[in-house]
Amino acid sequence: SQTIHQWPATLVQPVGSPLSLECTVEGTSNPNLYWYRQAAGRGLQLLFYSVGIGQISSEVPQNLSASRPQDRQFILSSKKLLLSDSGFYLCAWRGDSDTEAFFGQGTRLTVV
Amino acid sequence: DQQVKQNSPSLSVQEGRISILNCDYTNSMFDYFLWYKKYPAEGPTFLISISSIKDKNEDGRFTVFLNKSAKHLSLHIVPSQPGDSAVYFCAASLSGSARQLTFGSGTQLTVLP
Repeated sequence: SQTIHQWPATLVQPVGSPLSLECTVEGTSNPNLYWYRQAAGRGLQLLFYSVGIGQISSEVPQNLSASRPQDRQFILSSKKLLLSDSGFYLCAWRGDSDTEAFFGQGTRLTVV
Repeated sequence: DQQVKQNSPSLSVQEGRISILNCDYTNSMFDYFLWYKKYPAEGPTFLISISSIKDKNEDGRFTVFLNKSAKHLSLHIVPSQPGDSAVYFCAASLSGSARQLTFGSGTQLTVLP
């Protein structure tokens, strides 16, 4: 069966520090991968998606970037965090024939 | 511009009664609609979905209704249970290789015992 791992679960980082969140999927090949953010009191906003290795599409301009160095690995990064980057970050995957996406457990990022 | 809207941020229902969660969308090209349930500090879990070629899909206590002319969908939970208390997100997707989901802002459902 397929599983998705996302870490760390919580992270407190100072303003201006770098960020690297990692997500890996097991049990499937060539998944579509997604990064979402849930800001406090708001819905889920799509940040990036990837349909293959090295292919990244950005949905909103921001202080973040994403990379897909391997088929089942998706990384969210920032060179310098802002206070407004605080939120709950969720990684998700979907197979080509699937209609629903499956989410990881999320990372609570607090920028102080 | 929000393409998927959930206008009720919260809903309280008595245990055993029906919960009705509503969702509106603006993009008539959406061809698949989904509901997710989310507990605090966890990722959303898939609940039920419906294709745009249908107007109703039922799975146990959960039923999703789709009204394409009104661009409206709803989730009915009958009977509601305290364990159903969570944030419910509706989502929509377009055909295409990525099929990314566009989410609403969520509705906090509280089922009172």
